[in-house]
Amino acid sequence: EAQVTQNPRYLITVTGKKLTVTCSQNMNHEYMSWYRQDPGLGLRQIYYSMNVEVTDKGDVPEGYKVSRKEKRNFPLILESPSPNQTSLYFCASRTGGARDTDTQYFGPGTRLTVL
Amino acid sequence: QKEVEQNSGPLSVPEGAIASLNCTYSDRGSQSFFWYRQYSGKSPELIMSIYSNGDKEDGRFTAQLNKASQYVSLLIRDSQPSDSATYLCAVRGGSYIPTFGRGTSLIVHP
Repeated sequence: EAQVTQNPRYLITVTGKKLTVTCSQNMNHEYMSWYRQDPGLGLRQIYYSMNVEVTDKGDVPEGYKVSRKEKRNFPLILESPSPNQTSLYFCASRTGGARDTDTQYFGPGTRLTVL
Repeated sequence: QKEVEQNSGPLSVPEGAIASLNCTYSDRGSQSFFWYRQYSGKSPELIMSIYSNGDKEDGRFTAQLNKASQYVSLLIRDSQPSDSATYLCAVRGGSYIPTFGRGTSLIVHP
């Protein structure tokens, strides 16, 4: 089954304690991205990757890191989480290139609370 | 700053009616337009994409695009209670970064 998986689904942590949210896709997609969703603000892109070892900032990258060492995995790293990073996080993937038909598949989401 | 605007709603329609959801965007270079449906606590799901001016129909859904007016809409015919969700408009230009609107909440009441 084609899917994007994220772990953990729920996480409560404390300020400053480093954490990693994993994301994996089994569709051989080149393009992967991370979003955060906050009430009243909609979906905002944090980072994206067009392929292995190629990453770039989205609209709200501050406080986050990513890496893309393998095509299927795109972890999101919070080195020193703060309460303003409490949010619902989504990983997404799609085929890359210049094709117009670019259905984006979203993972199930990770609800993060930073105390 | 690229902007995508949607009325937050809620838009309330009776079962069987047509629901009309609207979206405007600021970037005239936008090329790809998408409508996603998101149920509460779930991830967004793509329901329609449109790339050229005019209408595109898929079952009960019709997307309409007017690039001159920078306007894209989604019509849902014969609305069902199961259509109750938040609908997100997304717009993408030549880059890989889509911009999402904040979403419109739709309530279909029996």
